[in-house]
Amino acid sequence: AQSVTQLDSQVPVFEEAPVELRCNYSSSVSVYLFWYVQYPNQGLQLLLKYLSGSTLVKGINGFEAEFNKSQTSFHLRKPSVHISDTAEYFCAVSSYNFNKFYFGSGTKLNVKP
Amino acid sequence: NAGVTQTPKFRVLKTGQSMTLLCAQDMNHEYMYWYRQDPGMGLRLIHYSVGEGTTAKGEVPDGYNVSRLKKQNFLLGLESAAPSQTSVYFCASSRRLATSTDTQYFGPGTRLTVL
Repeated sequence: AQSVTQLDSQVPVFEEAPVELRCNYSSSVSVYLFWYVQYPNQGLQLLLKYLSGSTLVKGINGFEAEFNKSQTSFHLRKPSVHISDTAEYFCAVSSYNFNKFYFGSGTKLNVKP
Repeated sequence: NAGVTQTPKFRVLKTGQSMTLLCAQDMNHEYMYWYRQDPGMGLRLIHYSVGEGTTAKGEVPDGYNVSRLKKQNFLLGLESAAPSQTSVYFCASSRRLATSTDTQYFGPGTRLTVL
């Protein structure tokens, strides 16, 4: 089975500052990795995913994430955040057949003016 | 193109009552999923389906049943609701997610309260 740990439940940051949201996973098999964003009272939206190839993955809204196999991490970064980035962010892993997804507990990003 | 829709959006049940949540997608996706979201716990997979007529258990299947009689619909049933099933339920659908352009589409959620 797989599991996902998001170390920070809340991350406050000022507008235009850089941010990193941390995600670590555990799995006995190779997995695919995802980051989702959830705005208030909405469903989840895919930001980016890592399937294979380059370990640096670029997603929507200026976000990127780096897959580090040795550290079993998939941290999400943005060099300059906006007020509109205020949301909850979820890291997730899935098995290669995409049958099951395991989500972290979420990190609430609060961007302050 | 409505994407993924969920019915109803809100519901309040009494302990022991039954209900069915309906998820519909118009994207011809093979894969469909039901999740529950609880504060501080992220999303947990209840059941999933990889095609019409097939369903399988996820991480937290107890107390729920599902059916996928038509490719576009995925029903989640609670036979005897319990307060522990108070949650926000999300449905999602996808193709196989094997390429960079594939993604999992989520519905807007159903907020269920069991008294």
